[in-house]
Amino acid sequence: DTGVSQNPRHKITKRGQNVTFRCDPISEHNRLYWYRQTLGQGPEFLTYFQNEAQLEKSRLLSDRFSAERPKGSFSTLEIQRTEQGDSAMYLCASSSGTSGNTDTQYFGPGTRLTVL
Amino acid sequence: DAKTTQPPSMDCAEGRAANLPCNHSTISGNEYVYWYRQIHSQGPQYIIHGLKNNETNEMASLIITEDRKSSTLILPHATLRDTAVYYCIVMIYNQGGKLIFGQGTELSVKP
Repeated sequence: DTGVSQNPRHKITKRGQNVTFRCDPISEHNRLYWYRQTLGQGPEFLTYFQNEAQLEKSRLLSDRFSAERPKGSFSTLEIQRTEQGDSAMYLCASSSGTSGNTDTQYFGPGTRLTVL
Repeated sequence: DAKTTQPPSMDCAEGRAANLPCNHSTISGNEYVYWYRQIHSQGPQYIIHGLKNNETNEMASLIITEDRKSSTLILPHATLRDTAVYYCIVMIYNQGGKLIFGQGTELSVKP
């Protein structure tokens, strides 16, 4: 399978714990995006990377959230001191980042976080 | 905020064409129209995109009006597996390319 993969697929944690999610993009895709989706809503942009550089962060990404893409390949999203409001589906997408005027993003299956 | 407007829900009979409309009256000249769909509890799936010409691929056709203020996604022979939320998005690549999703259209394909 050469698509975007995310691990774990499901995570249940207690309020106050830290969690980390991993995203493996499509091979050789330069851009990697994180989105969050709460129940009944469309996905909301969190942040994106061009290779290892984090180029934009949404206001949704509070100080408790941190994302990294250390070698320009896989990425991790960490949430510290989780709150019940963090319960959501966390989606990762990647794109080639090199295709002229447009650039299609391909999404992974998501990680569903439940904070008790 | 999303720059598109879509009906919240639509029904379609299995085997018939599903025509999903989208209004994007404030679209600018360098913005593309993208369509994604999301089947329950899965990640969004890319369907098709276009700038000003009509486009067709193995999944769907995209018809963009001449003034580019609206578009229609056509699934020529809808199946039960096409039941999903369909999102119409306008995107400028050189502004980071982030996708701004609206509420989408929930398409129910019925036998």
